[in-house]
Amino acid sequence: EDQVTQSPEALRLQEGESSSLNCSYTVSGLRGLFWYRQDPGKGPEFLFTLYSAGEEKEKERLKATLTKKESFLHITAPKPEDSATYLCAVQALYNQGGKLIFGQGTELSVKP
Amino acid sequence: DTAVSQTPKYLVTQMGNDKSIKCEQNLGHDTMYWYKQDSKKFLKIMFSYNNKELIINETVPNRFSPKSPDKAHLNLHINSLELGDSAVYFCASSSRDGKDIQYFGAGTRLSVL
Repeated sequence: EDQVTQSPEALRLQEGESSSLNCSYTVSGLRGLFWYRQDPGKGPEFLFTLYSAGEEKEKERLKATLTKKESFLHITAPKPEDSATYLCAVQALYNQGGKLIFGQGTELSVKP
Repeated sequence: DTAVSQTPKYLVTQMGNDKSIKCEQNLGHDTMYWYKQDSKKFLKIMFSYNNKELIINETVPNRFSPKSPDKAHLNLHINSLELGDSAVYFCASSSRDGKDIQYFGAGTRLSVL
């Protein structure tokens, strides 16, 4: 069964304190791994897609990496505005209709 | 301009009532989705439509009936609401351009009393 597990569930950082969020997945052939950011009361906002092991994507203080079993979202020198829930999702190669399977998210809090 | 818009944003109703949530996208996408997010923020797909055709029906009770009048709209009608239906419902859309990036609406928070 296709599955996504994120850790930790919650992460508290001081401003400037770099860290990483983990997304472990099992899928019957990976079409893509997606990272989203979700702010309270809002819908998920797309950040990155990774398609193959070894691929990396960067955006401002965020960098996503992918292996055959997991993905990391590295946050460098975070700011309070980076506080949000970060969601990881996979799309299987053979699934119909573009279904995304989500993890439970990591709630990030960055204190000034 | 809002890319994916849902109405209403909040919906409070009594058990047993019937309610609808509307979704519209102006991105020109051909695939639309409904997801349910529970109290633990776990997002799970319910339905997927491509060009008005149902593609995914993810073991959702038949009290939930999606309707897609055209490619830009996907509505969700819920009959005989139950307490367990309380959640946030998100609409999303994507293009079959190989990237399959899904863009989400702001969500509809449904509370069944």
